Amino acid sequence: DIQLTQSPSTLSASVGDTVTISCRASQSISIWVAWFQQKPGKAPNLLIYQASSLQSGVPSRFSGSGSGTEFTLTISSLQPDDFATYYCQQYNSYSQTFGQGTKVEIK
Amino acid sequence: QVQLVQSGAEVKKPGASVKVSCKASGYTFTNFDINWVRQATGQGLEWMGWMNPRDGDTGYAQKFQGRVTITSNSSISTAYMELSGLRSDDTAVYYCARDRDALDVWGPGTMVTVSS
Repeated sequence: DIQLTQSPSTLSASVGDTVTISCRASQSISIWVAWFQQKPGKAPNLLIYQASSLQSGVPSRFSGSGSGTEFTLTISSLQPDDFATYYCQQYNSYSQTFGQGTKVEIK
Repeated sequence: QVQLVQSGAEVKKPGASVKVSCKASGYTFTNFDINWVRQATGQGLEWMGWMNPRDGDTGYAQKFQGRVTITSNSSISTAYMELSGLRSDDTAVYYCARDRDALDVWGPGTMVTVSS
């Protein structure tokens, strides 16, 4: 199976900061990466698909980049509603996998 | 609006099976795959498998091969995930999700507790 490694595991930031979360794949997955936001007790919410395409209804402060094995989620001007856990996911192969998650906390 | 509604919480004994349902509305059920993902309390997301409701094709994570079965009944726009040989570490919230480009619509989750 393709492994995804996210970094950092936890990130402390303030409202207005720009934050970056990395996701590294164990082998090339082209652009078949999605990013999700999850809040406690809720289902994940799709933010980005195909590495850089913004899902409808998601604020433009969220952006994704990368291809091959290195991917990045960037949140510009962090808002109070953005404090949550973020997951990358690969769907390059028939067996999909998620990263272990990055928790974005209030500094 | 597009939504997935899942069946209610379950409590099962070790060794038993559980079958969770996921009813779709607001779109043509057979047009998109349904995936199943689980999450143990305080842990990350774990992909379990997928199915194509149009032709019944399925794929499962190697970890669950032989224990999980994903099916559907297109006449009622409902997908099912059955997990057998339950163990305590199968205690988790189980989610269904529609696959349109990516997992764009999720059900609210079904809590499955395995306890003797």
